[in-house]
Amino acid sequence: QSVLSQPPSVSGAPGQRVTISCTGSSSNIGAGYDVHWYQQLPGTAPKLLIYGYINRPSGVPDRFSGSKSGTSASLAITGLQAEDEADYYCQSYDSSLSGSRVFGGGTKLTVL
Amino acid sequence: DVQLLESGGGLVQPGGSLRLSCEASGFTFSSYAMSWVRQAPGKGLEWVSGIRGSGVSSTYADSVKGRFTISRDNSKNTLDLQMNSLRAEDTAFYYCAKERYSSTSAPFDSWGQGTLVTVSS
Repeated sequence: QSVLSQPPSVSGAPGQRVTISCTGSSSNIGAGYDVHWYQQLPGTAPKLLIYGYINRPSGVPDRFSGSKSGTSASLAITGLQAEDEADYYCQSYDSSLSGSRVFGGGTKLTVL
Repeated sequence: DVQLLESGGGLVQPGGSLRLSCEASGFTFSSYAMSWVRQAPGKGLEWVSGIRGSGVSSTYADSVKGRFTISRDNSKNTLDLQMNSLRAEDTAFYYCAKERYSSTSAPFDSWGQGTLVTVSS
């Protein structure tokens, strides 16, 4: 059971918009710690997609965006493309665990 | 370009030891905190351990505390993970990851390709 909760899977057709939620608690997201998002394509290492809730590293398309609401964060992908099919993970820090970065359980995005 | 290259993975028996290494290049290694993150085959990501740029402070996930030791050599730009008393549940790909900036909740902006550790008799 992950400290941060994500839906196991989401899907959408090319061109559509999908969102992935990341639900935490008062010891992580609710405590004000930043949330980051990673994309992991099959057979590859994770790649930083969004950091500090809303910021995109250089080279990440603006089709990817992040937001926060209370003890949750969300990743939105617009104009869905086949190459977006991947696993997506949220990550934060949890003050109830010693020195611990925490990840969500991951969400498999399927492009129909 | 930032490059992180892990090595040292392999097959080890339960109760055994293994030492992973990560060779870093393309950035001022001593200025950045580093972590090890693992992923069991077909499973999600799990943070294992982190160490500050100076090497003075390190932290561990409860699942590995007392068994794993993280260290770094800033003169050689290398990050290590000494893993003792290995268990079947430690089987995973182990990634070396660089923090983007200095913060308890910093993101990991560069990752190695991973090295596979298999604990089995």
